Amino acid sequence: DTAVSQTPKYLVTQMGNDKSIKCEQNLGHDTMYWYKQDSKKFLKIMFSYNNKELIINETVPNRFSPKSPDKAHLNLHINSLELGDSAVYFCASSLASPGFYNEQFFGPGTRLTVL
Amino acid sequence: DQQVKQNSPSLSVQEGRISILNCDYTNSMFDYFLWYKKYPAEGPTFLISISSIKDKNEDGRFTVFLNKSAKHLSLHIVPSQPGDSAVYFCAASASYNTDKLIFGTGTRLQVFP
Repeated sequence: DTAVSQTPKYLVTQMGNDKSIKCEQNLGHDTMYWYKQDSKKFLKIMFSYNNKELIINETVPNRFSPKSPDKAHLNLHINSLELGDSAVYFCASSLASPGFYNEQFFGPGTRLTVL
Repeated sequence: DQQVKQNSPSLSVQEGRISILNCDYTNSMFDYFLWYKKYPAEGPTFLISISSIKDKNEDGRFTVFLNKSAKHLSLHIVPSQPGDSAVYFCAASASYNTDKLIFGTGTRLQVFP
């Protein structure tokens, strides 16, 4: 069974379109994340949610809106796609233990190409 | 400003020999460090971690060394195997924000027979 899954795996779309990427984890984790890996392979956190509550919101354009319907799901909606949004987007999850470090489990990634 | 740096984009090692991957960081508030391994078309998978209260952590063939004064850590793989060929990411976090991992840009390791 896949622990952290993302759909779709590949997404090709035109500039200006709106698209969503879905993420689900079956690990029973409380915290979920979105990361972006750009063309320079730099993996950078975008958002994190803990029990459906936004915890981390890095300096991401407000065209990106995460939505967490429950603690097992964290979807990423992107409005008015731009060429610079082309990247691989990774979802991740971890246990939330205040004051303790927990490794994050990553999904397989979604390669977004904006034409 | 890149707070975690992996200055070697690639490394090639013969099977059976030691692989040493290096990582430097600039933020003195970082106190927990992790290594992730990534195969093509897959997400990163956790490999090994170390807290700043230690200077070494070992797990089978993998050992991570931490030099706090130099703000440097390294991952040793011995003996290296062809299946270890992957991209290795170093990551760091701080106690004031344990959920936020700052990643390096990765080192591609190739282990040849």
